[in-house]
Amino acid sequence: GAGVSQSPSNKVTEKGKDVELRCDPISGHTALYWYRQSLGQGLEFLIYFQGNSAPDKSGLPSDRFSAERTGGSVSTLTIQRTQQEDSAVYLCASSLPKTEQYFGPGTRLTVT
Amino acid sequence: GQNIDQPTEMTATEGAIVQINCTYQTSGFNGLFWYQQHAGEAPTFLSYNVLDGLEEKGRFSSFLSRSKGYSYLLLKELQMKDSASYLCAVRDPRYSTLTFGKGTMLLVSP
Repeated sequence: GAGVSQSPSNKVTEKGKDVELRCDPISGHTALYWYRQSLGQGLEFLIYFQGNSAPDKSGLPSDRFSAERTGGSVSTLTIQRTQQEDSAVYLCASSLPKTEQYFGPGTRLTVT
Repeated sequence: GQNIDQPTEMTATEGAIVQINCTYQTSGFNGLFWYQQHAGEAPTFLSYNVLDGLEEKGRFSSFLSRSKGYSYLLLKELQMKDSASYLCAVRDPRYSTLTFGKGTMLLVSP
């Protein structure tokens, strides 16, 4: 079956612009996660959605970052007023409750 | 807080066995995961331990000791395609989120 998909695969933006990254989870997966991976760093947790519960936003690095999940499926991560330190690969993952997470291919964001 | 340590790099020879260690100090624990990540690709799930002991899956095995905060991933009969980064991650018991180590880059040479 289809895995987790993300779009765009690459995004180059100018400092100060807003960007939206999209994630389509595996059908039926109720949990969705966003992570960030910077060069030489481990995966950094950003935000977690589980069903209709309030999301866990504890990993968002600043109020410029936000995410939503519509209809319990597709999720969008928005970064406002991008900064150069936001350059990273943004990975989305989905899972059934309390099972292993399946990752998408990621979006490579470059802020110039 | 969460602290997960694993070696930065390891090298091994094709056909050999390699053990990648991971130690963790976390405020909560609900399982330890190993993922493989090839350069430029998404992490893929390898193994999961929640109880002490060894889990074997083909050429890959993973071990967990909760009292020692220690796990290892054992790769047997190494192949060139095993050259990748191996990520150790601990799951938070409340939200099922994962905290990852920085990964161990394994280079398999002929």
